Amino acid sequence: GQQVMQIPQYQHVQEGEDFTTYCNSSTTLSNIQWYKQRPGGHPVFLIQLVKSGEVKKQKRLTFQFGEAKKNSSLHITATQTTDVGTYFCVLYPNAGNNRKLIWGLGTSLAVNP
Amino acid sequence: GAVVSQHPSRVICKSGTSVKIECRSLDFQATTMFWYRQFPKQSLMLMATSNEGSKATYEQGVEKDKFLINHASLTLSTLTVTSAHPEDSSFYICSAPDLGTQYFGPGTRLLVL
Repeated sequence: GQQVMQIPQYQHVQEGEDFTTYCNSSTTLSNIQWYKQRPGGHPVFLIQLVKSGEVKKQKRLTFQFGEAKKNSSLHITATQTTDVGTYFCVLYPNAGNNRKLIWGLGTSLAVNP
Repeated sequence: GAVVSQHPSRVICKSGTSVKIECRSLDFQATTMFWYRQFPKQSLMLMATSNEGSKATYEQGVEKDKFLINHASLTLSTLTVTSAHPEDSSFYICSAPDLGTQYFGPGTRLLVL
C-alpha cells in the first residue's frame, strides 16, 4: 500500500532559524495534508495540497507539493517558540468524505529561545 | 471549524478493568469516525473506523473483542478498552471528517496500573 516517509525525524533549531520538513512517497499522491500536534495536544489541520507544483503560504509557513506529486515540504521561516511541535504529512488516499488517513512518522521541532 | 469532543481527557484504572471513551461531533454529523492510538514520540496509528449503524472496521492487528466500538448515533462513537492491561496505556484520539477535513478530539490519556 501507499506509504509516506518523512524526514528528518527530529530537528532542533535556535529561535529565528528556518526549518524544513520533507515528505516523500514512492507512488504518486492524489493529495497531501499537513497537521501540527503540539506536545500533549491533538493534531490540528494546517493545509491540503492537491495540484502538482502547488505552493501555499500561511504567514511564516510555506507548503509545497512536488511537480510529480510524490513529495511535499513544509518550510517555516524565522522559527518561534510557538512553532514547537510535531509536524505530520498525511496522505488522503481515496475519494469521498469518509477516508482513512495514512500518516507520516512526523518531524518533531524543538526551538531554543 | 467543526468541533470534536472526547471524554474523559484522562483516566487511570487498574489492570483488568474496562474503560469507555466517548467521542462526540458537536456541531456536525459524522457517519464515520476514526479511532487512533499514539504512543510517546510516535505517529498516530489507526485502530479502527467506526461506522454509524453498522460494525466497525478494524485495522490489522487490532483485537475487535478487546477494543469495542459502538457508533450508535450520528454524533457519538464510543471506544471501550476491555480488560485493560498496562500495555494498553496510551493516548487515544478520535477524529471525524467534515467537508473533507478531519477534525480531532483532544484525546484521552489512559494509564493502566
